[in-house]
Amino acid sequence: DVVMTQSPLSLPVTLGQPASISCRSTQGLVYNGRYTFLNWFQQRPGQSPRRLIYEVSNRDSGVPDRFSGSGSGTDFTLKISRVEAEDVGVYYCMQGTHWPWTFGQGTKVEI
Amino acid sequence: QVQLVESGGGLVKPGGSLRLSCAASGVTFSDNYKGWIRQAPGRGLEWLSYISGDSGDTDYADSVKGRFTISRDNAQGSLYLQLNSLRVEDTAVYYCATGPQIRTPAYWGQGTLVTVSS
Repeated sequence: DVVMTQSPLSLPVTLGQPASISCRSTQGLVYNGRYTFLNWFQQRPGQSPRRLIYEVSNRDSGVPDRFSGSGSGTDFTLKISRVEAEDVGVYYCMQGTHWPWTFGQGTKVEI
Repeated sequence: QVQLVESGGGLVKPGGSLRLSCAASGVTFSDNYKGWIRQAPGRGLEWLSYISGDSGDTDYADSVKGRFTISRDNAQGSLYLQLNSLRVEDTAVYYCATGPQIRTPAYWGQGTLVTVSS
């Protein structure tokens, strides 16, 4: 199985400051030479996961533009340009290229 | 607005069975792949299975292969997961998920809790 490794696992942040989460995969994530199925999800306490970013860098509708995704190959990053209080939660990367699709361990973001 | 609602969770003894359901609205049910993901208490997320719109394409994680069966009824607008030979380690919240591309699941239900305990 493809292992997704996130770092850090715990991320204390300051309101208004930037934050960054790294995600590395044990295999490349290009599918059929065209798509890279690397996604980012946010899970707030007591809620279901919510997709923020799909295919590396595409922001979902309604997701604030302070969230951005980047990367290629086996190294990917989620950035929050200026952390707000509502960003508290656990963030997961997920690869949808190789079955079984797999998630990272999660990064807990706390103020 | 797409809405997924899971049901069927509960407390079951090891070796027992449950059938989870997921009702979808706000989407043409038969069009998309759908899948099940679980999250053990205080743990991360694990993809379990997916199924194509016509039920012709399915797959399972090794941890549930041979014990769990995914199915769907497009006429009823429902997705199912039959859980057999349950183990304590199957205790988790089970989510159904879907989207235009299942490899990037855009929509999730609220989850249903399965507790396996004697």
